[in-house]
Amino acid sequence: DAGITQSPRHKVTETGTPVTLRCHQTENHRYMYWYRQDPGHGLRLIHYSYGVKDTDKGEVSDGYSVSRSKTEDFLLTLESATSSQTSVYFCAISENGSNQPQHFGDGTRLSIL
Amino acid sequence: QKEVEQDPGPLSVPEGAIVSLNCTYSNSAFQYFMWYRQYSRKGPELLMYTYSSGNKEDGRFTAQVDKSSKYISLFIRDSQPSDSATYLCAMIHTGTASKLTFGTGTRLQVTL
Repeated sequence: DAGITQSPRHKVTETGTPVTLRCHQTENHRYMYWYRQDPGHGLRLIHYSYGVKDTDKGEVSDGYSVSRSKTEDFLLTLESATSSQTSVYFCAISENGSNQPQHFGDGTRLSIL
Repeated sequence: QKEVEQDPGPLSVPEGAIVSLNCTYSNSAFQYFMWYRQYSRKGPELLMYTYSSGNKEDGRFTAQVDKSSKYISLFIRDSQPSDSATYLCAMIHTGTASKLTFGTGTRLQVTL
C-alpha cells in the first residue's frame, strides 16, 4: 500500500465552522491531490500541489484552500463549512507530473450539519 | 455531457463469470488510461495503467483500449466474490500534471 495517511477519518461539524483535513505521505512523491467523491459525480479534483508551496486549482475549488509547507504534508481547509461540502475527501499522490497514475488514501468522511 | 461516461450498474454476475466493464470518452486529448477498484469505505486502488491501444493483461484482469472509438474496457476472468466492488475508469490529458478525469464508477456484485 502507498504510504498515505489521512486524518481525521471521520468528522462531524456545524455549518460556518472552519475545518482542516490532513494528508501525510511517506513516499516522497512530488505531486499531491485532493478530491471529493459524491454520488452521481464520481471523484472530482479540488486542488493539487506540484511541490512545496506550489499549488493550483482543480475543477471544484470554490470554498476550499490548501497549503503545503513540507513535501510530506498537504492540508485542505474549508474556511467556513457549508452543507454542500458534506462528502468523502480523498488525498492522492503521484511520483511526478509526467502522466503517472495516482495512489489514494482511504479518505475522510466529512458531515456538515 | 460528461467527458467520461460509465454505466453505474449495479452489475450482478455469478462466481466464475467473465465480467466486462466499459467507459467511453469524448476528448481525444486523453492518452493514458487507468482502472481503479474501490471497496466500500476505502480509497481507490490502482488495477491497470495503460497508454497504447490494444490489450494489457495482468492475472485475471485485461485492460483494452480503442483510441479510434474512444472506448476502454476492463475484463475480469473467473470472477470471485472478492471482486465485488466499484470499478472506476480514469484518464489523463497529456501535459496536465497527471490530473485524472474519472468515470462515475460501476458497482459489481459477484454472487456465490
